[in-house]
Amino acid sequence: GENVEQHPSTLSVQEGDSAVIKCTYSDSASNYFPWYKQELGKRPQLIIDIRSNVGEKKDQRIAVTLNKTAKHFSLHITETQPEDSAVYFCAAVNDYKLSFGAGTTVTVRA
Amino acid sequence: DTGVSQDPRHKITKRGQNVTFRCDPISEHNRLYWYRQTLGQGPEFLTYFQNEAQLEKSRLLSDRFSAERPKGSFSTLEIQRTEQGDSAMYLCASSLDYGRTGRPEAFFGQGTRLTVV
Repeated sequence: GENVEQHPSTLSVQEGDSAVIKCTYSDSASNYFPWYKQELGKRPQLIIDIRSNVGEKKDQRIAVTLNKTAKHFSLHITETQPEDSAVYFCAAVNDYKLSFGAGTTVTVRA
Repeated sequence: DTGVSQDPRHKITKRGQNVTFRCDPISEHNRLYWYRQTLGQGPEFLTYFQNEAQLEKSRLLSDRFSAERPKGSFSTLEIQRTEQGDSAMYLCASSLDYGRTGRPEAFFGQGTRLTVV
């Protein structure tokens, strides 16, 4: 089955700086890669996603890149704000099953 | 709220008791998933329904766990003879199969937090 690894497990950044989270996946058949943000006690919320036929996608301050050859994808958050503090999960999807990484706890210091 | 809803939000039960959780997906979504999440971990896949058919069960789902989705609408997850290791957040998600050309976004419910004492 699919195995998704995510790094780092924790990330502390100064407000206004950038944050980068990296994930790798094992199944070359995976073709859809969503990112979820989960605040304490709340549901995971989809924040951005990318399909395997696209190398990069941007939505305001967040962007995702995908390298199919190397089987890794990354989340970039620019100009971080305190409300970006949360746990972020990457996932890889083959057909229907989402396989998640272990999560990155992002703390934005004011 | 027209999103995925789960009931109850919290459940405390004694070891050995049976519990049942309910998930109501987004109405037009034909795919429904159950995941389990423990503190500091990502959601772990438990099972998947396409309409009313349960198409995959994880090895994590022991014989004490059973899930149903009658009529392809809401779903229930039952845990029999609960153990302390079953304590976790149980998340339900739903999506619409757009095929390989669409965006199969999965939307999550708020989860049911189970505590087995």
